Amino acid sequence: DGGITQSPKYLFRKEGQNVTLSCEQNLNHDAMYWYRQDPGQGLRLIYYSQIVNDFQKGDIAEGYSVSREKKESFPLTVTSAQKNPTAFYLCASKGARTGILYGYTFGSGTRLTVV
Amino acid sequence: AQSVTQLDSQVPVFEEAPVELRCNYSSSVSVYLFWYVQYPNQGLQLLLKYLSGSTLVKGINGFEAEFNKSQTSFHLRKPSVHISDTAEYFCAVSDRGGYQKVTFGIGTKLQVIP
Repeated sequence: DGGITQSPKYLFRKEGQNVTLSCEQNLNHDAMYWYRQDPGQGLRLIYYSQIVNDFQKGDIAEGYSVSREKKESFPLTVTSAQKNPTAFYLCASKGARTGILYGYTFGSGTRLTVV
Repeated sequence: AQSVTQLDSQVPVFEEAPVELRCNYSSSVSVYLFWYVQYPNQGLQLLLKYLSGSTLVKGINGFEAEFNKSQTSFHLRKPSVHISDTAEYFCAVSDRGGYQKVTFGIGTKLQVIP
């Protein structure tokens, strides 16, 4: 079955550590997105990528970094510069031509907690 | 710029009662509209969308929504809810340009009471 796989499902980070969240899709989608979800704030866009080797900052990119070396993969690194990283992180993708017909496809999320 | 306002953060409703979740949007250009549902600790799933044509759109799980251009609203309704409808619902708006930037509302938690 086609879809998006996010791993791990739960992640614990110590103060000052960088951690990387994985996002892989086998839908042949061109565009991929990272959102952060906090209670009462909805989804906020961190980074997005429309093609391989290109990505753009979203609304809250500070303290995060991404790469898009392969069409299938869009990992997110939460750096030590992100002061409040505890949140639920969602990865999504969209086809270039079919996306608007089907909306986004979302992964099941990674819950990151600072310990 | 575009924005989405979901007027209710939480909506409690008894099982088999009707429900309406409200969504208003603001945009300087024509838009596409969406409703997504999120079950606990999961990603979002598309419920329904308005692209063009009939202003009443039907989605999965018996939900429907009506696009009202004059009131810039896209309220979600279901005539009879079930326990399994307990979830968080997100309204979203997308511009019609090449990138189709999507903006999400803050979500409405629907709690169905047995």
